[in-house]
Amino acid sequence: NAGVTQTPKFQVLKTGQSMTLQCAQDMNHEYMSWYRQDPGMGLRLIHYSVGAGITDQGEVPNGYNVSRSTTEDFPLRLLSAAPSQTSVYFCASRTRQGAYEQFFGPGTRLTVL
Amino acid sequence: AQSVTQLGSHVSVSEGALVLLRCNYSSSVPPYLFWYVQYPNQGLQLLLKYTTGATLVKGINGFEAEFKKSETSFHLTKPSAHMSDAAEYFCAVSETGNQFYFGTGTSLTVIP
Repeated sequence: NAGVTQTPKFQVLKTGQSMTLQCAQDMNHEYMSWYRQDPGMGLRLIHYSVGAGITDQGEVPNGYNVSRSTTEDFPLRLLSAAPSQTSVYFCASRTRQGAYEQFFGPGTRLTVL
Repeated sequence: AQSVTQLGSHVSVSEGALVLLRCNYSSSVPPYLFWYVQYPNQGLQLLLKYTTGATLVKGINGFEAEFKKSETSFHLTKPSAHMSDAAEYFCAVSETGNQFYFGTGTSLTVIP
């Protein structure tokens, strides 16, 4: 099992550009989520999904879109990047049942100039 | 509303000394509580979790935490620090298992 994979590992964008951060898991987990990690602020939930076709907003959803067409994939889209979106982004997944342990990907470091 | 407060953004201990990382939470219902560890340039790894039942929870690498409802605390301890414990530690809370709230993290330094 590869677990949770994220691509790319690093990305530099210019203000106003769009891009998609990819996240995939091979554990057949129903729940997937996106977080951003900023210095001194911990991790903050952006969006999450409890299954294919179902998504919901987290704590900081503005400027980000998600969709969940398959159980395995949960891409995060930045429609018009802003410097405030410079951050490290983590994807996580877990089963819907049980003790809610989340498995995290290795992260994507995004810089917006 | 749910929230997590981690007291002390940086903690230093000598190798072999007690590790104590503090976490207080706010929740309107009995929460699920977690401690995660993050090594440099890596994702987060679960150390331990509290869901229901026994309030003293044991995790990996010799860590444990005690859920104290009256104090709304979930402090992380390890009797004897090892150099390999140097990392960032995050406490997290969730009421429903859908929305998770993380603390701002505590960076642990172990002094040889």
